[in-house]
Amino acid sequence: GEQVEQLPSILRVQEGSSASINCSYEDSASNYFPWYKQEPGENPKLIIDIRSNMERKQIQELIVLLDKKAKRFSLHITDTQPGDSAMYFCAATGTGYQNFYFGKGTSLTVIP
Amino acid sequence: NAGVIQTPRHKVTGKGQEATLWCEPISGHSAVFWYRQTIVQGLEFLTYFRNQAPIDDSGMPKERFSAQMPNQSHSTLKIQSTQPQDSAVYLCASSLDSQNTLYFGAGTRLSVL
Repeated sequence: GEQVEQLPSILRVQEGSSASINCSYEDSASNYFPWYKQEPGENPKLIIDIRSNMERKQIQELIVLLDKKAKRFSLHITDTQPGDSAMYFCAATGTGYQNFYFGKGTSLTVIP
Repeated sequence: NAGVIQTPRHKVTGKGQEATLWCEPISGHSAVFWYRQTIVQGLEFLTYFRNQAPIDDSGMPKERFSAQMPNQSHSTLKIQSTQPQDSAVYLCASSLDSQNTLYFGAGTRLSVL
């Protein structure tokens, strides 16, 4: 199956700065890349996703970039707030896949 | 829409006992997934059903874990002879189909003493 690597595993940033999380995948057949945010004690929730027909997508402070050639995608959170502190997971799946493959997660802490 | 419902929220078992975890997917969703979450391994895929049929159970430890989906409104994950290393949060998720957004339940925290 697909392998998704996610870095860094731990990220601490000052409030108001940007945070970036990077993921890579192996199978060029992957074509859908969602990002999930999990707050302590809560279930993971979709925050933004990108499909392979796009290179960039933005929803408010969240930007996702996809580089299909390099098989990398990334999440950028601009103007971070304490409420952005959480665990973030990237995932990949594709046509014919039976499953979503998740990265191991990034624990983001925004320092006030 | 109540979302994906998982019961119980917490379960404590003694080593060697059986644990059954329940999941009610969102009505109308055809795909149901089970994941296990630990700090070390993150989100580990266990098994996946589509239209109630088991499609992929490649993540399931073969000897003690089993999953079923007897009808479209619920799925169960059964762990026989639980071991301390089975302690984790077990998450169920559903989606309209395998290429759509996954909606996770709140999870069942299993503690094996």
